[in-house]
Amino acid sequence: DARVTQTPRHKVTEMGQEVTMRCQPILGHNTVFWYRQTMMQGLELLAYFRNRAPLDDSGMPKDRFSAEMPDATLATLKIQPSEPRDSAVYFCASGLVPNRNTGELFFGEGSRLTVL
Amino acid sequence: KNQVEQSPQSLIILEGKNCTLQCNYTVSPFSNLRWYKQDTGRGPVSLTIMTFSENTKSNGRYTATLDADTKQSSLHITASQLSDSASYICVVSPLWQGGKLIFGQGTELSVKP
Repeated sequence: DARVTQTPRHKVTEMGQEVTMRCQPILGHNTVFWYRQTMMQGLELLAYFRNRAPLDDSGMPKDRFSAEMPDATLATLKIQPSEPRDSAVYFCASGLVPNRNTGELFFGEGSRLTVL
Repeated sequence: KNQVEQSPQSLIILEGKNCTLQCNYTVSPFSNLRWYKQDTGRGPVSLTIMTFSENTKSNGRYTATLDADTKQSSLHITASQLSDSASYICVVSPLWQGGKLIFGQGTELSVKP
């Protein structure tokens, strides 16, 4: 059945290294979200795209984070350089969103990042 | 101040018992209010979505209610099962925000045998 696929599921890296997380949204969905989840902050919106165009990335630290959608089947979230405070679970979610309402959102299983 | 506040923060109940989780929000106007279930190590999964004009929505043993006047929602779980152990997250979708969601911090439910 259709689902959002995220890779990698787990990543351990050293401070200063580049990290790239990938997301394959559900086919036909026009909106893709990137969230970060920590124990302290819960789920925080980092960025989201509508029809591959970035709509809002105000939740992202601009100096080190970047999000892109090179095509409709792939969204990427890159951290360069990574820092220990970036350790968290990163979720991708996709949905079919009309202009005025938010449709159902489907989350991936997340990418657990640990930066040493 | 968080726009979506959930209580209690955590809850322990015995298998077979009922429980009710609370959500207070200040988001206004809003398009819809959702409840998600998140199992440990997994992504959130939608349980119910209610528009601002709906009062209640059920999904099996889960029943969500919404009072738009008092800006409160609750999630009632009937005849709890061990598999109900999870985090339950209340989420509000502001109107005219292009699909952005405001998340509560979640209630951690533990169902014991």
